Amino acid sequence: KQEVTQIPAALSVPEGENLVLNCSFTDSAIYNLQWFRQDPGKGLTSLLLIQSSQREQTSGRLNASLDKSSGRSTLYIAASQPGDSATYLCAAQSSGAGSYQLTFGKGTKLSVIP
Amino acid sequence: NAGVTQTPKFQVLKTGQSMTLQCAQDMNHNSMYWYRQDPGMGLRLIYYSASEGTTDKGEVPNGYNVSRLNKREFSLRLESAAPSQTSVYFCASLYGWPEAFFGQGTRLTVV
Repeated sequence: KQEVTQIPAALSVPEGENLVLNCSFTDSAIYNLQWFRQDPGKGLTSLLLIQSSQREQTSGRLNASLDKSSGRSTLYIAASQPGDSATYLCAAQSSGAGSYQLTFGKGTKLSVIP
Repeated sequence: NAGVTQTPKFQVLKTGQSMTLQCAQDMNHNSMYWYRQDPGMGLRLIYYSASEGTTDKGEVPNGYNVSRLNKREFSLRLESAAPSQTSVYFCASLYGWPEAFFGQGTRLTVV
C-alpha cells in the first residue's frame, strides 16, 4: 500500500525567502507525482505534475523534482510571497484495477510573513 | 469551462438521515473519484469509478454508496449519516494519467 509523507507539517518564512517542501513515498512504482495547492475552505488546484520518466518540472517560481529510486519529491518555491500562503499537498499516482489512484500526503501548511 | 462541479457546497444532517452528494464533470474524463478530507488525516479515497458503469472501493468505503450515472456524473450517497461522517468531501476526475481536477468540495456536518 502506497504511503505518502510530507515534511514539515507547517512552515513559516519571511517574504522573499526561497524554500523547499518535501514529499516521500513508499512504493517507487508510481506513474506520476503531482503537487497541489489548497487555500482555506477551497478545493485543490494542480500546480505541477512530474511524469515518472521525468526528473523535474518548472512553472514560474515553482520547481518540482522527482527521484523515484529514493522515493522523494521536492517542491522549490523561489522568492516567496504572502500570496503563496496555503497548504501544499503532494500525491503519488499509481495504477490499480484499471484506474489511476492518487495517494495524498497530509500537506505542508505554508505561511509567508510580509 | 466549469470543470468539476459539486453540489451542495454545505449541508447539515441529523444522525440517521440520508443524502446524496452530486458531482459532474464536463471534461469527458473516464475516471472519477470521491475523497474525504479530515484534519490530521489528509485526503482519503472513498470510492472511485474507472469508467462509466464501474465502481470500486477505496480506502474508507464503509457507510457510503456510489453511482456512476453516466460519463459526466458520479454521486456519493450516505444512507444513514453518522457524526463520524462529518467531513469535507471532494470529487475529482482524471483522464488517463495526466493531472487530476478537483471540485470545490462539500462541507458536511452530521449532528
